[in-house]
Amino acid sequence: DAGVTQSPTHLIKTRGQQVTLRCSPKSGHDTVSWYQQALGQGPQFIFQYYEEEERQRGNFPDRFSGHQFPNYSSELNVNALLLGDSALYLCATQGPHPENIQYFGAGTRLSVL
Amino acid sequence: ELKVEQNPLFLSMQEGKNYTIYCNYSTTSDRLYWYRQDPGKSLESLFVLLSNGAVKQEGRLMASLDTKARLSTLHITAAVHDLSATYFCAVDMGNNNDMRFGAGTRLTVKP
Repeated sequence: DAGVTQSPTHLIKTRGQQVTLRCSPKSGHDTVSWYQQALGQGPQFIFQYYEEEERQRGNFPDRFSGHQFPNYSSELNVNALLLGDSALYLCATQGPHPENIQYFGAGTRLSVL
Repeated sequence: ELKVEQNPLFLSMQEGKNYTIYCNYSTTSDRLYWYRQDPGKSLESLFVLLSNGAVKQEGRLMASLDTKARLSTLHITAAVHDLSATYFCAVDMGNNNDMRFGAGTRLTVKP
């Protein structure tokens, strides 16, 4: 059983560009959350997708958008990249379990130059 | 807005010693998680605490939750080098599992 998978592993972009990150959930999971983790910080919640709709959103600008597909996989899009967007982007998925444990992928390391 | 504060942020301890990491949060929640992160790796779930007074133990780690004090603790017993990692607490904001993380405690266990 594959866990949460993210692609790509690493990405280098320049300011102003756009980027798309991808996440495939753990088997049986239907909810996907995205987090941004700056170096030396805790993960910051970006948004969560359930049933192909954005269900919750953290304090991130509209440059951050996402999508969930019928197979529950998800994309995170960031437009007009800023230097401050450089971070590790983590995807976490969960299923219909009372403990609501989120399982994290290995992340995508984004560097904006 | 919810604040989740961990302390200490950095902890260096000798093997065999005991220590406690604290996680304070500023709003009502009865669901708290502890995660471990090794350098360059993702987050691994350690404990889920679902009610006031909950206590869970796994090996040398024990976590507890006091929802009235809005405090969770992660106690380390007889530390070993393999426990060196960053430990995060995360508070569930509500039904839809919007989690807010603390800044993390970077633990180094020295021989």
